[in-house]
Amino acid sequence: AQSVAQPEDQVNVAEGNPLTVKCTYSVSGNPYLFWYVQYPNRGLQFLLKYITGDNLVKGSYGFEAEFNKSQTSFHLKKPSALVSDSALYFCAVRDMWTGGFKTIFGAGTRLFVKA
Amino acid sequence: NAGVTQTPKFQVLKTGQSMTLQCAQDMNHEYMSWYRQDPGMGLRLIHYSVGAGITDQGEVPNGYNVSRSTTEDFPLRLLSAAPSQTSVYFCASSQTQENTEAFFGQGTRLTVV
Repeated sequence: AQSVAQPEDQVNVAEGNPLTVKCTYSVSGNPYLFWYVQYPNRGLQFLLKYITGDNLVKGSYGFEAEFNKSQTSFHLKKPSALVSDSALYFCAVRDMWTGGFKTIFGAGTRLFVKA
Repeated sequence: NAGVTQTPKFQVLKTGQSMTLQCAQDMNHEYMSWYRQDPGMGLRLIHYSVGAGITDQGEVPNGYNVSRSTTEDFPLRLLSAAPSQTSVYFCASSQTQENTEAFFGQGTRLTVV
């Protein structure tokens, strides 16, 4: 069965330090992988996606993610964290479904960046 | 562009009441979906639609109905609200290709007492 796991409920990092938010997935076919961010009282916003090609994907706000097929992982990274990066981050995988496709979301990881 | 618009933003219902959550998008997206967000559980798919006149169930469809009479609108109906339906509801839309990202509304926070 398709699934997405975000093993950390919360990640704490000091401003200026690198950050990593982890994600692993399980799908039956080729994965289409996404990261979304949710700020308080807002909907989810798209950050970046992996479809095919280069394993390092660059996205909005300086974020990037590394696709690792052998480890079935898609970790979100940023070289230097900002306090304004504090938010809830969701990893998602899109897979084929009867009649089309559906997106499966992880439980979310709360990132807290301390000044 | 307005993107995806949800109304209302907040709602309190009594057990047994019915209501409709509205969702509209102005991007001419064929694919629309409804999710509920509960703490520690991420987003769970309730219903989705791949185009006008076509809807299907997601992971947690019980207690909810949808219809899609136009490309723009995708309302979610709660027929008889239960406390277990207390949640934050998000509507999303995207193009039909599986490699495209979703656009989300700002959510409706629903409390059933």
